Amino acid sequence: AQSVTQPDIHITVSEGASLELRCNYSYGATPYLFWYVQSPGQGLQLLLKYFSGDTLVQGIKGFEAEFKRSQSSFNLRKPSVHWSDAAEYFCAVGGYTGTASKLTFGTGTRLQVTL
Amino acid sequence: DGGITQSPKYLFRKEGQNVTLSCEQNLNHDAMYWYRQDPGQGLRLIYYSQIVNDFQKGDIAEGYSVSREKKESFPLTVTSAQKNPTAFYLCASSLVYNEQFFGPGTRLTVL
Repeated sequence: AQSVTQPDIHITVSEGASLELRCNYSYGATPYLFWYVQSPGQGLQLLLKYFSGDTLVQGIKGFEAEFKRSQSSFNLRKPSVHWSDAAEYFCAVGGYTGTASKLTFGTGTRLQVTL
Repeated sequence: DGGITQSPKYLFRKEGQNVTLSCEQNLNHDAMYWYRQDPGQGLRLIYYSQIVNDFQKGDIAEGYSVSREKKESFPLTVTSAQKNPTAFYLCASSLVYNEQFFGPGTRLTVL
């Protein structure tokens, strides 16, 4: 069975500091991996995705993530955090059945940014 | 603008009543999904549909029902059999081999 672990429930960083959010997954084949961000009471927005190819993936808002197969990880990074990055971040892993993707989401990491 | 709409944003229901949540997309996506989100539990899949008139149970389908009569629409009914229906419900859609796009969500509260 596929699963995702986000070990940090809550992280606080200062504005301008670097950020790394951890994601470990379990999946039986080559995974498709995603990072989504959610502001309170809102839907999820895709930050970036990994399907294949280059293991360092660039996303929106200055985020990047690196797929490390040997460590079953897909950590999200940003070199300099802005106050507007405060939100909840979800990692997801999945594959496809027919035309639909079956995703398993982690429990999320809530990011707080101090000024 | 293309996107996914969910209505209403807030919904209140008395115990024992069925309630239907709306989800519409104009992205021409084949697949649509319903998730339930509870604090600290991430998203859990309720139902998904790959094509019109076809849908499959997800991980927590008990107490829920869906229909897919049109490609654009995938309504979710929360029945009285759902023991703990208060939650945030998210609808999503996707093209094959692409990411899922999410709607803004509906917060359901059972009084």
